[in-house]
Amino acid sequence: AQKVTQAQTEISVVEKEDVTLDCVYETRDTTYYLFWYKQPPSGELVFLIRRNSFDEQNEISGRYSWNFQKSTSSFNFTITASQVVDSAVYFCALAMYSGGGADGLTFGKGTHLIIQP
Amino acid sequence: GAVVSQHPSRVICKSGTSVKIECRSLDFQATTMFWYRQFPKQSLMLMATSNEGSKATYEQGVEKDKFLINHASLTLSTLTVTSAHPEDSSFYICSARVGTASSYNEQFFGPGTRLTVL
Repeated sequence: AQKVTQAQTEISVVEKEDVTLDCVYETRDTTYYLFWYKQPPSGELVFLIRRNSFDEQNEISGRYSWNFQKSTSSFNFTITASQVVDSAVYFCALAMYSGGGADGLTFGKGTHLIIQP
Repeated sequence: GAVVSQHPSRVICKSGTSVKIECRSLDFQATTMFWYRQFPKQSLMLMATSNEGSKATYEQGVEKDKFLINHASLTLSTLTVTSAHPEDSSFYICSARVGTASSYNEQFFGPGTRLTVL
């Protein structure tokens, strides 16, 4: 069985600070996918990134960056120079490989990020 | 990107009634769709996986007779909550995945349906 742990329930920082959201996962499979989603108050999930288990390259997209380390089963997400619009709940998720795509996702409990002006 | 819609976006019903939620892939064909539920301030939990033309596969602990899933076409899956009770009140989200080709096929999430059972 797979599991995703987001130990940080809530993080509050002041605007322009950097913040890292932690994600630790468990799986016995060698082929899997990791995701980060943002969920604003409206409820709609916003896709941020997908990583497959064979690609440990870190990624940067604007103010967002991701650090994937298989050795520690972690897939952490950093927001640089945070902004109020970054306030949301962020979910880390894991999915098994299934016939050309990802299976249903296993989500962590989410981290509620509050950016104060 | 691909668009997935859900209808209705919000529904309020009386206890004991059945409610149908539709999930549509608007600009692609989805051979596989997934249904999730999310209780307030909690995580999303996978309920079931549906493949077009076959029976849905339910996750452990999800009542098949309570949550009926039909994936009758490549663009539509429906979730029917039968004899709804207040504990079924939740946010239901679907996702749709393109085909089963050898390359990775993305999943796209719908905007969700908020069900309130009185």
